[in-house]
Amino acid sequence: ESVLTQSPGILSLSPGERATLYCRASQSVSSSHLAWYQQKPGQAPRFLIYGASSRATGIPDRFSGSGSGTDFTLTISRLEPEDFAVYYCQQYGSSPPTFGGGTKVEIK
Amino acid sequence: QVQLQQWGAGLLKPSETLSLTCVVYGGSFSGYYWSWIRQPPGKGLEWIGEINRSGSANYNPSLKSRVTISVDTSKNYFFLSLSSVTAADTAVYYCAYGSPLNYWGQGNLVIVSS
Repeated sequence: ESVLTQSPGILSLSPGERATLYCRASQSVSSSHLAWYQQKPGQAPRFLIYGASSRATGIPDRFSGSGSGTDFTLTISRLEPEDFAVYYCQQYGSSPPTFGGGTKVEIK
Repeated sequence: QVQLQQWGAGLLKPSETLSLTCVVYGGSFSGYYWSWIRQPPGKGLEWIGEINRSGSANYNPSLKSRVTISVDTSKNYFFLSLSSVTAADTAVYYCAYGSPLNYWGQGNLVIVSS
């Protein structure tokens, strides 16, 4: 099973700042089958990124993903108030699919 | 627009069987998997398993002995059954569609308590 480690655990930033979130896999992720999700309190996760770098339908272009192999990054270029949430990475290239432990982006 | 709606019992006693149902509205379903994921209170996400329209299912090895996922393609329903529950199975359970998980249900909090 591929273990995903996200860092940092908490990211304290102000609106308008740039956020950089990391996801490291214990095994190479097949065909960059790496996704990112956003979750707000009391809500289901929201699908953001697939294939490591492709935005899902309707996702603003301030969200971007990059990386390959074992190291991946989610960048939010300028934080909007609605972007403060928990973000999870997921690999879906090998079974079982696994999630990282999450990064909380909080208002500084 | 794909929408998922889910329901099921929210309070169980230890050793009982958890049963949840999810219905998928809209979209084209061929070639996709329908999944269940859970999230213990204050914790991260855990993939439980998935099934496709032909009924081929895959399960998380950590839960495989207790999980059954099934599908009724005539109604676009799919089901989760988790047997012999304990307090460790207390979580919000989500159904989801696609690979990766493009669409999610609203979640059901299931509490296991004597």
